[in-house]
Amino acid sequence: DGGITQSPKYLFRKEGQNVTLSCEQNLNHDAMYWYRQDPGQGLRLIYYSQIVNDFQKGDIAEGYSVSREKKESFPLTVTSAQKNPTAFYLCASSLGAGKEQYFGPGTRLTVT
Amino acid sequence: AQKITQTQPGMFVQEKEAVTLDCTYDTSDQSYGLFWYKQPSSGEMIFLIYQGSYDEQNATEGRYSLNFQKARKSANLVISASQLGDSAMYFCAMRLYNQGGKLIFGQGTELSVKP
Repeated sequence: DGGITQSPKYLFRKEGQNVTLSCEQNLNHDAMYWYRQDPGQGLRLIYYSQIVNDFQKGDIAEGYSVSREKKESFPLTVTSAQKNPTAFYLCASSLGAGKEQYFGPGTRLTVT
Repeated sequence: AQKITQTQPGMFVQEKEAVTLDCTYDTSDQSYGLFWYKQPSSGEMIFLIYQGSYDEQNATEGRYSLNFQKARKSANLVISASQLGDSAMYFCAMRLYNQGGKLIFGQGTELSVKP
């Protein structure tokens, strides 16, 4: 089946540790996106990538890093510099910048 | 500033009735897209419907229709014949084509369908 996978669904980390969230898609989409959702809120864009080996900061990139070495993969690292990392993280992809975005199932990160 | 506003934090509707979820947007761009997504308690975001800024006809997808009023900058979602499975969070979003296609989301409306 074609789609977007994010693993794991739930992730727990201690404060001060970096953690990497995975996002893989087999839809052959060029563009990929990372969003963060806090309780009772909409999604906010962290980083996006329109093509392999290229990515841009979104609205809340501080404390996060990404890489795009392969078309199908766009991992997100939550660093210890992120002040409030506990949140629901959603990855999305689209065929191009003008097409609808398809979302993965999300990863719920809890940092204590 | 680009912004999406959803003024209804929560809505109730009786099963089989229609319901309208409000969305207003603010942008100075001429070219943009408007989307509605459904988010059930599982957390996934499900694409429902899309309206382009140059589309003259209101978009429809099955029981979903988008009431697009460009002059008022509103893009309300109408769900006809509500079903119990429609209970979820609904998000309106705007896509900015000159900014990498990023989506700007509203705060969401929680819809509860009563049997």
